[in-house]
Amino acid sequence: DVKVTQSSRYLVKRTGEKVFLECVQDMDHENMFWYRQDPGLGLRLIYFSYDVKMKEKGDIPEGYSVSREKKERFSLILESASTNQTSMYLCASSWWAQPQHFGDGTRLSIL
Amino acid sequence: KQEVTQIPAALSVPEGENLVLNCSFTDSAIYNLQWFRQDPGKGLTSLLLIQSSQREQTSGRLNASLDKSSGRSTLYIAASQPGDSATYLCAVLRGATNKLIFGTGTLLAVQP
Repeated sequence: DVKVTQSSRYLVKRTGEKVFLECVQDMDHENMFWYRQDPGLGLRLIYFSYDVKMKEKGDIPEGYSVSREKKERFSLILESASTNQTSMYLCASSWWAQPQHFGDGTRLSIL
Repeated sequence: KQEVTQIPAALSVPEGENLVLNCSFTDSAIYNLQWFRQDPGKGLTSLLLIQSSQREQTSGRLNASLDKSSGRSTLYIAASQPGDSATYLCAVLRGATNKLIFGTGTLLAVQP
């Protein structure tokens, strides 16, 4: 079975902090994704990566950056956390156009 | 701009009932459509993927259909069980971009 592991289930940070969310997959998938999920807005794509060191903006990239130095690891970075970035963050991985496999999510609160 | 809608937003049924969840999308130029389930506080689990050239896919008690021309998909759940209680999301894959666009989901409660 594919395993996508997110480093933290719950995280509390303060405004202005630099925040790192880590995601690791064990299936050698070429594609990895970061989403945020908010009530009433559903899942929205922040960034995705289709290969090592390759990245593409999703629908809501503002305030975020990403890093993919190794194929199995995809990091989401909040450069200067703000309260409107309080959300559930979900990482996923897949082969091209195949089902995406999700981690359990990180519930991030920015105080 | 592609929009994906799921109606109803919430559904409650007694155990054993067959049910249908609906998904509609505005742009028929999709590569595939995927159905997911999400349990409270968890990530998404892929249930079924239908390629744009297919009409339906089946897995156990689940059957998903796709009508691209009308922009609709349905997820049929046979003989529902309390363990089926979850939020069900559909998502369409845009062209060759590998980007999914999600609906906002249907929250299903199966009463014992």
